[in-house]
Amino acid sequence: DIVMTQSPLSLPVIPGESASISCRSSRSLLNSNGYNSLFWYLQKPGQSPQLLIYLGSNRASGVPDRFSGSGSGSDFTLKISRVEAEDVGVYYCMQTLQTPITFGQGTRLEIK
Amino acid sequence: EVQLVESGGGLVLPGGSLRLSCAASGFTFSSYFMHWVRQAPGKGLVWVSRIHADGSDTTYADSVKGRFTISRDNAKNTLDLQMTSLRAEDTAVYYCVVLGTSPPAWGQGTLVTVSS
Repeated sequence: DIVMTQSPLSLPVIPGESASISCRSSRSLLNSNGYNSLFWYLQKPGQSPQLLIYLGSNRASGVPDRFSGSGSGSDFTLKISRVEAEDVGVYYCMQTLQTPITFGQGTRLEIK
Repeated sequence: EVQLVESGGGLVLPGGSLRLSCAASGFTFSSYFMHWVRQAPGKGLVWVSRIHADGSDTTYADSVKGRFTISRDNAKNTLDLQMTSLRAEDTAVYYCVVLGTSPPAWGQGTLVTVSS
């Protein structure tokens, strides 16, 4: 199984500042089409996960441009610039390169 | 718009059975793999099972293999998860997920509680 490791697991942020979350996989997530099979989700309290970034660096429709994804292979980063109160929740990375699909442990972002 | 609506969750005794369903709409259901993902209270996301677009192939997490059965009805656009020999550790919100659509979609989840 591909192991996904996120850091940090807890992320206190002052509103208006930026935040970064790292996600590392135990093997490369580059698929045969040249895309990274890596997704970022935000799960707000009591809700199902909402898609932020797909294929490593593509922002999903309706997601503010404050969110950006970067990286390739086995090393990925989600950056949130100008954090707002509505960004609170748990962020997960997910790989879909192979079954079983696996997730990072989650990073809980809180407002200081 | 892709929509997935789960149903069938509830309280069940250890050793009991439960059948979850997911009603899909807004996309060509018969063209996509479908998945079940679960989340125990206060815990992270864990993949449970997937089924090929035509139902010909299924895969399971080791933790549910032999106890859970995933199936689909492409004529009715529904996905099911038959759960037997349920354990306390199966307590979770179960999500129906499609990853191949643009964008990928998750249902709102259905809560399964295994407790005496």
